[in-house]
Formats: sequence, C-alpha cells, structure tokens
Amino acid sequence: IAGITQAPTSQILAAGRRMTLRCTQDMRHNAMYWYRQDLGLGLRLIHYSNTAGTTGKGEVPDGYSVSRANTDDFPLTLASAVPSQTSVYFCASSGGSTGELFFGEGSRLTVL
Amino acid sequence: SQQGEEDPQALSIQEGENATMNCSYKTSINNLQWYRQNSGRGLVHLILIRSNEREKHSGRLRVTLDTSKKSSSLLITASRAADTASYFCATDANFGNEKLTFGTGTRLTIIP
Repeated sequence: IAGITQAPTSQILAAGRRMTLRCTQDMRHNAMYWYRQDLGLGLRLIHYSNTAGTTGKGEVPDGYSVSRANTDDFPLTLASAVPSQTSVYFCASSGGSTGELFFGEGSRLTVL
Repeated sequence: SQQGEEDPQALSIQEGENATMNCSYKTSINNLQWYRQNSGRGLVHLILIRSNEREKHSGRLRVTLDTSKKSSSLLITASRAADTASYFCATDANFGNEKLTFGTGTRLTIIP
C-alpha cells in the first residue's frame, strides 16, 4: 500500500546520544514534514521541505535537523537527545493542490 | 503557539447520537482541514473547507466554517463505535509559510 513509512516504530534512547528517525514516501509528493505530538499540545511542526534540496524551520526546530537529498526520503536527526525530546514523531507529505497531508504511523521516542 | 483550539477536549456519546466538535483559530486562513487519529496511529485526512465556503458534507460528516468568528465545527451524524478517535482541526496560516498548524484535538468516545 502506497504511503509513508517511518522507522523505527519505537525507540528508547539515552540522553546525549544521536538518533535519526527515517521517513520514506512512495507517492512522489514534493512537500514533506516532521511533527511531534505531545499530550495536551497537539502536533507541532519541527521542520518541513517544500521540495527535494530545500528545507525550512517550523515551530519547534531547536535540537533537530533534517535533510532532503531526494524526493522520497526525509530523515530527522537529533544530534544529542535530551529528555524533553521524548515524544511521538510523525512524518507527513503533501503533493496535491488540496494541501491534504498524508501521515506515517509515527515513531515513539523515549529519551532517558 | 497553537493556531487552532478544539472544544470540547473530550466527548462521550451513545452510539447513534450525533457528535459535534468545534475549532477556533486566531488568524486569517486559506483553508481549514479536519483529521482523525485512532489510538496509536497516524492522522487521517477527513475533509477540507476553503475560506470562501460555509458548509461542506462528506458522508456522515458535516463541516461548517465561520470566518467572521474564526471558528469551524465538525458534525458526525449517526455515530458508530468505529468513530471513537481523536479529531483535530488544522489551519494553513502560520509562520508565514502557510504550513498546517494543528489544534490540540477532541477525544471522542462512542459508547456502544
């Protein structure tokens, strides 16, 4: 089934470690996004990419970096994880004129 | 900061009843979208309403938009147990890049 694939599904990480969350889409969408979801705060945009080769900062970009080397992949990296980055991370893409987002199933990250 | 705020935060109703959720937002928008999230899953797009539309229907869903009050409502008619989920509104005006900003969601529980 076409869509967004995220990996890992779940991860426990020691503070200070580096972590990359992977996201791949097979819909050939130009735009991709990373959101984090925290209880009581809804989803907040971390970084986005309008097209391959470009990235932009969202509402909560500090401590995160992204790259967009090609259309399909949009990895999110935590250079040095901190406990406040414990969250569920969602990757999404959009490609049509409607602006509808297609979401992956999420990556649950716990930083101890 | 959150652009959209859903009300109520949680709603429990009997199967077969109608469920109404509200969303208020702060700034002018181009469109407003509603998404559903089942527990532990990614978000799924339900419906989009543009700023020049006042009402839109899709199956058992009815969405209204009042741009003068900066508010929208989602009505689910003849609710089913499978409608149990969290529902989020999302608007496209924030950060100057028109990326979707999500509210904090309404947790809907349908009692069989």
